Amino acid sequence: KAGVTQTPRYLIKTRGQQVTLSCSPISGHRSVSWYQQTPGQGLQFLFEYFSETQRNKGNFPGRFSGRQFSNSRSEMNVSTLELGDSALYLCASSLATGSYNEQFFGPGTRLTVL
Amino acid sequence: AQTVTQSQPEMSVQEAETVTLSCTYDTSESNYYLFWYKQPPSRQMILVIRQEAYKQQNATENRFSVNFQKAAKSFSLKISDSQLGDTAMYFCAFIPTGTASKLTFGTGTRLQVTL
Repeated sequence: KAGVTQTPRYLIKTRGQQVTLSCSPISGHRSVSWYQQTPGQGLQFLFEYFSETQRNKGNFPGRFSGRQFSNSRSEMNVSTLELGDSALYLCASSLATGSYNEQFFGPGTRLTVL
Repeated sequence: AQTVTQSQPEMSVQEAETVTLSCTYDTSESNYYLFWYKQPPSRQMILVIRQEAYKQQNATENRFSVNFQKAAKSFSLKISDSQLGDTAMYFCAFIPTGTASKLTFGTGTRLQVTL
């Protein structure tokens, strides 16, 4: 079974631009969570989608948004990029939402904002 | 709100030796899960071991075992017979029992296994 895939793997943008990152979960998984990883703040939860609905949201500004499609693939969008948005963005999929479901992580998308 | 603290930013161990990584957490929840995740230089995060708070028995997965002290809110990871492939960042994580999938992570410990 294929693992979680994320595209693109690397991305370079300039301040003020917007970006869309994609995450394809493991087949059969319906929950997708997004995390931001930076050297300064560590790993922080962005949001979770389950059955095309946002179930949880972390403490990030409204510039960060996401969505989930009927095939469980998820995208996250960051508008008006800032230098501080440079990070590794990880997505994780699980069979369903809920603490008892193991989350499987993708390789991440490295976003650099210049 | 929950917090997870890993007080050892970096550790080094020789191959075949045993190393223990520390993790403490703070929560008012009574039921929760604790995890250790490994992130090798290739970046893909993988689950090493999971502990359910209501289970008193410490979890074990091959060379990896935990020492879970609920009253002390401590959750350390012991790696026995360390191998070069164990070189990675190790993150301790917490999630309260429930319908959410939000993991709270510690800042990580960088483990270097040397010859």
